[in-house]
Amino acid sequence: SQTIHQWPATLVQPVGSPLSLECTVEGTSNPNLYWYRQAAGRGLQLLFYSVGIGQISSEVPQNLSASRPQDRQFILSSKKLLLSDSGFYLCAWSGLNQGVSNTGELFFGEGSRLTVL
Amino acid sequence: QKEVEQDPGPLSVPEGAIVSLNCTYSNSAFQYFMWYRQYSRKGPELLMYTYSSGNKEDGRFTAQVDKSSKYISLFIRDSQPSDSATYLCAMSDYKLSFGAGTTVTVRA
Repeated sequence: SQTIHQWPATLVQPVGSPLSLECTVEGTSNPNLYWYRQAAGRGLQLLFYSVGIGQISSEVPQNLSASRPQDRQFILSSKKLLLSDSGFYLCAWSGLNQGVSNTGELFFGEGSRLTVL
Repeated sequence: QKEVEQDPGPLSVPEGAIVSLNCTYSNSAFQYFMWYRQYSRKGPELLMYTYSSGNKEDGRFTAQVDKSSKYISLFIRDSQPSDSATYLCAMSDYKLSFGAGTTVTVRA
């Protein structure tokens, strides 16, 4: 069966510090991978998605970046965090040929709660 | 105007009650409609999925889609404390759009 791992689960970082969140998927090949941010009362905001190694699409201009160095690994990074980067970050995957999940069946990780002070 | 509107609640009901959740949307191109359930401090999980208009039932859960009114609903019958969670509606044409989520508490 497929599983998705995301870490760290919680982190507190000072403004201006770097960030690295990692996500890996097991039990599937060539998944579409996604990074979402969830802010209280605002739903899920798609940040990045990837349909293959090295292929990254950005949905929202910001100081975050994403990389996909391996088929089942997706990394969210920042060189300098802002207060506004605080939130709950979710990695997700969907099956091949589902585009940006046109059928909506996404499988989410447990999330990483980031607090920027 | 947001593409998907969902009342954030919170909604508190006694055990055994029917929970009714709703979302409205503005994009008439949406074809796929979903409900995700998210427990506290966890990632969302897909609960119900429907294509176009109509009803779909799965155990105690019923999802309804009315495309003419741009309105979708989720009903939970015989609600249990384990149903306490945030419920997010989502819909898609080629991109997925989420509602803000409604937090539901079922009191024992």
